[in-house]
Amino acid sequence: NAGVTQTPKFQVLKTGQSMTLQCAQDMNHNSMYWYRQDPGMGLRLIYYSASEGTTDKGEVPNGYNVSRLNKREFSLRLESAAPSQTSVYFCASSLSGRQNTEAFFGQGTRLTVV
Amino acid sequence: AQSVTQLDSHVSVSEGTPVLLRCNYSSSYSPSLFWYVQHPNKGLQLLLKYTSAATLVKGINGFEAEFKKSETSFHLTKPSAHMSDAAEYFCVVSRDSGGGADGLTFGKGTHLIIQP
Repeated sequence: NAGVTQTPKFQVLKTGQSMTLQCAQDMNHNSMYWYRQDPGMGLRLIYYSASEGTTDKGEVPNGYNVSRLNKREFSLRLESAAPSQTSVYFCASSLSGRQNTEAFFGQGTRLTVV
Repeated sequence: AQSVTQLDSHVSVSEGTPVLLRCNYSSSYSPSLFWYVQHPNKGLQLLLKYTSAATLVKGINGFEAEFKKSETSFHLTKPSAHMSDAAEYFCVVSRDSGGGADGLTFGKGTHLIIQP
């Protein structure tokens, strides 16, 4: 029972490089999310996808793009990485966007931009 | 708009003593509230959730939380701390989604330290 799987777990990028963070869930969830976690800031929503084929901006979308490839997969792309994007990134999914459904989280991707 | 305030960034207790992690929220509507735990270098795990049923909610590992609407609080408690409880704890409120899926609003976290 894998749940939410993120790859890679660790990544170091040079400023200006691009990369894609991958996320897949096997729980047949409709909604998926990308968060970033910074010290003392909690988790902040970057983008979310309410259902297959839809994506919307969250609190901190600048510098990122997303693709909901199918129901299982939701990727996050950094087109031109900046040091300010050094963070831990978490993918999450939930059965629906209804208010009382909890989210399930992946193990995180620790990204360093130098 | 919604917000969550965790009143303590760090809490230190001795093993075997009670734990209290404080959380206040604001919400335009009746909220759903959650507590998540994050152990070092791990993802987040749901401890418990409140969804307008019983105001006292029991979770995993002996944790519970009480929803108090008059105080807009959702404090997390445990009668007796264990060394394995050392972790980061997040109080979370669901957004005013109106049925849409736009994620959760996180508090900034409380780091729980357990002294032997």
